[in-house]
Amino acid sequence: EVQLVESGGGLVQSGGSLRLSCAASGFTFSNYWMHWVRLTPGGGLVWVSRTKNDGSTTWGADSVKGRFTISRDNAKDTMYLQMNSLTAEDTGVYYCARETVTRGQYYMDVWGRGTTVTVSS
Amino acid sequence: VVLTQSPATVSVSPGEWATLSCRASQSVGGNLAWYQQKPGQVPRLLTYSASTRAPGLPARFSGAGSGTDFTLTITSLQSEDFAIYYCQQYNDWPLTFGGGTKVEMK
Repeated sequence: EVQLVESGGGLVQSGGSLRLSCAASGFTFSNYWMHWVRLTPGGGLVWVSRTKNDGSTTWGADSVKGRFTISRDNAKDTMYLQMNSLTAEDTGVYYCARETVTRGQYYMDVWGRGTTVTVSS
Repeated sequence: VVLTQSPATVSVSPGEWATLSCRASQSVGGNLAWYQQKPGQVPRLLTYSASTRAPGLPARFSGAGSGTDFTLTITSLQSEDFAIYYCQQYNDWPLTFGGGTKVEMK
């Protein structure tokens, strides 16, 4: 079964750090580009970051640049999101998602159940 | 690219149709996907390339549109279809999502 499982969320004070993990199974993890997406308390989805399949290139939303770092260990079939200098605006459920490309169209076809991050001020 | 979804909430009876709208602040071509999310559940890809159904998606779901105006139509709503629906564009960076439309039971 194709599956993504996030972990590492929790309650942290403003200015603190967390490291999220996303464990993949059921597919060849090293073939896929991957994303982190946040569901805000207001119910909106916000794209956070993306990594190429080999981890050599990454992208991040302006709001997290310089604070969040996406990485992956293909030997462990796991992706990470190191989150530093957290603020209340970073609160939400963090999902990892797999990107699939079909005829030049790319979309997120597999999502995890998410891990909750709460930043207290 | 800002995606504006309307309505924010739509109340529908089982068996009826629902048409959800997603409008982009600039053209995204056909580079738009729709997702469904139920509380506590994993987001689910419904369509990509504006109108291509994800594998296994029931035929009662259909996406349409291009450029700046897109729709997701659900015909003959089933109980399992009551959820929040999001559109997402992948034409420009950063990727952006619409604010969502909640489909609730009337």
